[in-house]
Amino acid sequence: EIVLTQTPLSLSVTPGQSASISCKSSQSLLYYNGNTYLHWYFQKPGQSPQLLIYEVSKRFSGVPDRFSGSGSGTDFTLDISRVEAEEVGVYYCAQGIQLPLTFGGGTKVEIK
Amino acid sequence: EVQLVESGGALVQPGGSLRLSCEASRFTLSNFWMDWVRQGPGKGLVWVSRIDIDGNFTSYADSVKGRFTISRDSTKNTLYLQMNSLRADDTAIYYCVRDRGWNAFEIWGQGTMVTVSS
Repeated sequence: EIVLTQTPLSLSVTPGQSASISCKSSQSLLYYNGNTYLHWYFQKPGQSPQLLIYEVSKRFSGVPDRFSGSGSGTDFTLDISRVEAEEVGVYYCAQGIQLPLTFGGGTKVEIK
Repeated sequence: EVQLVESGGALVQPGGSLRLSCEASRFTLSNFWMDWVRQGPGKGLVWVSRIDIDGNFTSYADSVKGRFTISRDSTKNTLYLQMNSLRADDTAIYYCVRDRGWNAFEIWGQGTMVTVSS
């Protein structure tokens, strides 16, 4: 099973500042076809998760360009520029290369 | 609006059974890989099961293998999760999700709560 380790566990950010979340995989997420299947989700308190970024860096429909994903192999990063109050919640990375599908433990983002 | 609506969650005793349903709106469920993901109280996300487009391939997390069965009724545009021999650690919100490809879950239902307790 692929283990995804997210850091930090929590993050307190002043509105308008940037935030960065790391996700490290126990195995490479590069598939034979040259694509890398690492995705990011966001869950607001009391709501269902929503897809933010798929395949490392592709923003899902409606996601602001303040969200960006990067990385390769086993190391990945989600960056949020100019954090807004509505972006408080938990961010999860997830791998799509191998069953069982697995998620990182989550990073809780709070506003100072 | 494209959406997924789960139902069937309840309080059930250990060892009991429950069937969750997930009705799809404004898209044909059988055109997509579909999955169930669960989230225990205050916990993270855990993948549970999936079914492919043809319904011929299913897969399960080890923790539910042999106890849960995923299925689909194309005539009702509905996904199911039959859960047997339920245990306390199955207590969670169960989400039905649509896969956009390569296990990126683009549509999530609102979730249905399953509580296993005596």
